[in-house]
Amino acid sequence: KAGVTQTPRYLIKTRGQQVTLSCSPISGHRSVSWYQQTPGQGLQFLFEYFSETQRNKGNFPGRFSGRQFSNSRSEMNVSTLELGDSALYLCASSIRFRGTGGGYTFGSGTRLTVV
Amino acid sequence: QQPVQSPQAVILREGEDAVINCSSSKALYSVHWYRQKHGEAPVFLMILLKGGEQKGHEKISASFNEKKQQSSLYLTASQLSYSGTYFCGTEEYNFNKFYFGSGTKLNVKP
Repeated sequence: KAGVTQTPRYLIKTRGQQVTLSCSPISGHRSVSWYQQTPGQGLQFLFEYFSETQRNKGNFPGRFSGRQFSNSRSEMNVSTLELGDSALYLCASSIRFRGTGGGYTFGSGTRLTVV
Repeated sequence: QQPVQSPQAVILREGEDAVINCSSSKALYSVHWYRQKHGEAPVFLMILLKGGEQKGHEKISASFNEKKQQSSLYLTASQLSYSGTYFCGTEEYNFNKFYFGSGTKLNVKP
């Protein structure tokens, strides 16, 4: 079956712009989480959605937002981009909320570069 | 709260064993283990839900001490393919939070 699909794979944006990243989870998975990965900070939790509701949010500024649609697809938006937002953004889906009984399946990520 | 992983890095020869530890100061509901190879996404290895439970994946196994909020990942007779960064992820009872550790970089050499 198809895995977690993230688009686009690579993105270059200018400071001050905004960006929207997309994630299509594995069919049947209703939980979608977003992570920011940088070499110095590891995997930092952004937020998690389950059945279109944001269940948890990490410690990121309000410039980072997301949503989930009825088909479980999720989007993440970052407004007023800063150089420090350059990172690999990973989406992960699970068959159940919180991954109970099963782990998270990650997409290949979107590499965002802010110049 | 982010779990603490140790060691930060390990260098092994093929066939050697390694242990990676993960500990939390919070009461845990589950512990996950993932492996990420360079340039790739993290891959789920296993989840441990009960105290003292031990699970296995190939020659990789893990234990979870629920009382101590600690988990250990055991890699036996390591192979070159085991190289990568290993992350533990912990799910807390309160607030349903899930956090990844900072990772342990494992390098297996011929």
